[in-house]
Amino acid sequence: AQKVTQAQTEISVVEKEDVTLDCVYETRDTTYYLFWYKQPPSGELVFLIRRNSFDEQNEISGRYSWNFQKSTSSFNFTITASQVVDSAVYFCALSVARGGAGSYQLTFGKGTKLSVIP
Amino acid sequence: DARVTQTPRHKVTEMGQEVTMRCQPILGHNTVFWYRQTMMQGLELLAYFRNRAPLDDSGMPKDRFSAEMPDATLATLKIQPSEPRDSAVYFCASRAGQRGEKLFFGSGTQLSVL
Repeated sequence: AQKVTQAQTEISVVEKEDVTLDCVYETRDTTYYLFWYKQPPSGELVFLIRRNSFDEQNEISGRYSWNFQKSTSSFNFTITASQVVDSAVYFCALSVARGGAGSYQLTFGKGTKLSVIP
Repeated sequence: DARVTQTPRHKVTEMGQEVTMRCQPILGHNTVFWYRQTMMQGLELLAYFRNRAPLDDSGMPKDRFSAEMPDATLATLKIQPSEPRDSAVYFCASRAGQRGEKLFFGSGTQLSVL
C-alpha cells in the first residue's frame, strides 16, 4: 500500500527563518513520482515540484529547495528566509500506478500548516 | 492560463437534497480526478476517469455518490441524498497523460449540508 506521512501538523516560524517540512513515503513500486503542493488560505492547490524515483538530484528554486533521499524514503522541503506569503498548508504526495489500467494515482499526506509570523 | 473550472464555488443545502458539482477540465487533458478534503481525513481520492471512462471509484460511497463524464469537457459529481457528513471541499483535477504528470486543480466546491 502507498502511504505519505507528514509528521509535522503545524509549524510556526518568525519571518526570515529557514524551515524544513518533512515528508516520508512508503511504496513497493520502483517507479513512482513525488510532489509538493501548496494550499494558501484562498484554498486552491498550487503545484510546486515533481520528482521521479530515478532522479535523486536535489533541486533549488529561489528560496525553495527539495531534498530527495531514496535511502530514507524522504522528500523534504526547505524554505529559506521565510516570508509571510509562505503561510499555507503544504502537501506532499506520492503517485504510483494502480489497478489493471496502470494509471497513476496521487496519494496525499495530511499536510503541514506553516505559519510565518512577521 | 489554462485552468480547471469548478462550479459552484459554494453550496449550502439541506440534508436529503441532491447536490451536483461540475468540473471543466483543461482542454486536452484526458484524466480527471475528484478529491474530497476534510479536516479529519485530509485529501481523499473519490474517483477518476481516463478518456471519459471511469477507472476507479473505490473511494466513493456508492449508495449516494455518482460520478460521470458526459463529454470530454464536463465531469460531474452527484450526491443524492446528501447528508451532513458530506460537508467538505470537493476538488476536481485534471492532467494530460496517465503517468507522473502533475495534476492541475480547480478552486474547489465548498459544500455545507445542514
